Amino acid sequence: EAQVTQNPRYLITVTGKKLTVTCSQNMNHEYMSWYRQDPGLGLRQIYYSMNVEVTDKGDVPEGYKVSRKEKRNFPLILESPSPNQTSLYFCASSFSGGELHTQYFGPGTRLTVL
Amino acid sequence: GQQVMQIPQYQHVQEGEDFTTYCNSSTTLSNIQWYKQRPGGHPVFLIQLVKSGEVKKQKRLTFQFGEAKKNSSLHITATQTTDVGTYFCAGRSSGSARQLTFGSGTQLTVLP
Repeated sequence: EAQVTQNPRYLITVTGKKLTVTCSQNMNHEYMSWYRQDPGLGLRQIYYSMNVEVTDKGDVPEGYKVSRKEKRNFPLILESPSPNQTSLYFCASSFSGGELHTQYFGPGTRLTVL
Repeated sequence: GQQVMQIPQYQHVQEGEDFTTYCNSSTTLSNIQWYKQRPGGHPVFLIQLVKSGEVKKQKRLTFQFGEAKKNSSLHITATQTTDVGTYFCAGRSSGSARQLTFGSGTQLTVLP
């Protein structure tokens, strides 16, 4: 089954404790992206990757890191989480970053930073 | 940077009534996509509009892309309880094919 998976689905952590949220897709998509969703703000892009070893900042990259060492995986790293990073995070992928390709979203990771 | 405004933020309708959500972009868009997110779920792609003035229909849903490619709307005829969720538009600016900017969404509640 074609899908985007994220782990963990739920995470409660404390300020400053490094964490990684994994994202994997099995559709051989080139383009992957991370979003955060906050009430009233919609989905805001954190980082995106056009292909392996190619990443770029989205609208709200501060406090986040990403890597794209393999085509299928695109982990999101919070080196020193803070309470303002409490949010619902979605990973998404598409065939390419071109304008005619739709994005497939993962199930989401709900993160709480105390 | 590019901004996509979406209204209304919330809409409550009685089952059987119509519903419309609107998106307006600060810049000309190369295309616009619409997504639906059920409560507790993830965004799911509905449709993409590319051409100026384009109108597409999916059963009771009608999507329009403005002539100037700066606005779009989604209209649902005779809402059903299965239409409940948040509807997002997402646009790509003409100058940046890589970044998709989402509107803040319209949360639809359908009262039986």
